[in-house]
Amino acid sequence: DAEITQSPRHKITETGRQVTLACHQTWNHNNMFWYRQDLGHGLRLIHYSYGVQDTNKGEVSDGYSVSRSNTEDLPLTLESAASSQTSVYFCASASGAEPTEAFFGQGTRLTVV
Amino acid sequence: TQLLEQSPQFLSIQEGENLTVYCNSSSVFSSLQWYRQEPGEGPVLLVTVVTGGEVKKLKRLTFQFGDARKDSSLHITAAQPGDTGLYLCAGSYSGAGSYQLTFGKGTKLSVIP
Repeated sequence: DAEITQSPRHKITETGRQVTLACHQTWNHNNMFWYRQDLGHGLRLIHYSYGVQDTNKGEVSDGYSVSRSNTEDLPLTLESAASSQTSVYFCASASGAEPTEAFFGQGTRLTVV
Repeated sequence: TQLLEQSPQFLSIQEGENLTVYCNSSSVFSSLQWYRQEPGEGPVLLVTVVTGGEVKKLKRLTFQFGDARKDSSLHITAAQPGDTGLYLCAGSYSGAGSYQLTFGKGTKLSVIP
């Protein structure tokens, strides 16, 4: 069965370190998204991609970057982790056909200390 | 940025009661999705509505898209403890090749046995 997986599920890192969160999907979807979920804010879009070599900034992109070298993977990098980036991160994918229907990974809980 | 307002934010009811959750926006969406999220998991798609006035039923859940495609409601009949979770609405605004999803902050439902 097709799926979307995130790793790690939990991570603790120190302020200032670079951190990369992995996202891998086997749906062969063109569109991939990264969201963060925080109490009181809901799901907010960080970055998204509509295909290989395509990346775009979302609502809360400062301090984050992504790269898309193949269809399956969209890693999210925190350049220099800050305490404000403590959150639960979700990766999602969608086929690129309307209507947009997203399939989500199980999330990565990141704590920056 | 299209905003989605969900109400109520929290809802605690007894098993067997009926409830309605609302999702409102000032923007017109090309489609709207409802997701359900359980603790420690990613959101899971329940339904997509596309046409203004559309009504879809999923067992005891009834979803309606407003005539103007700016709002939606989720009605649960005879709620069960298994319905407990975070319900999220998300709007898709497709314009100029954009396939992003904008999420509401969610309604946290607790069904007490």
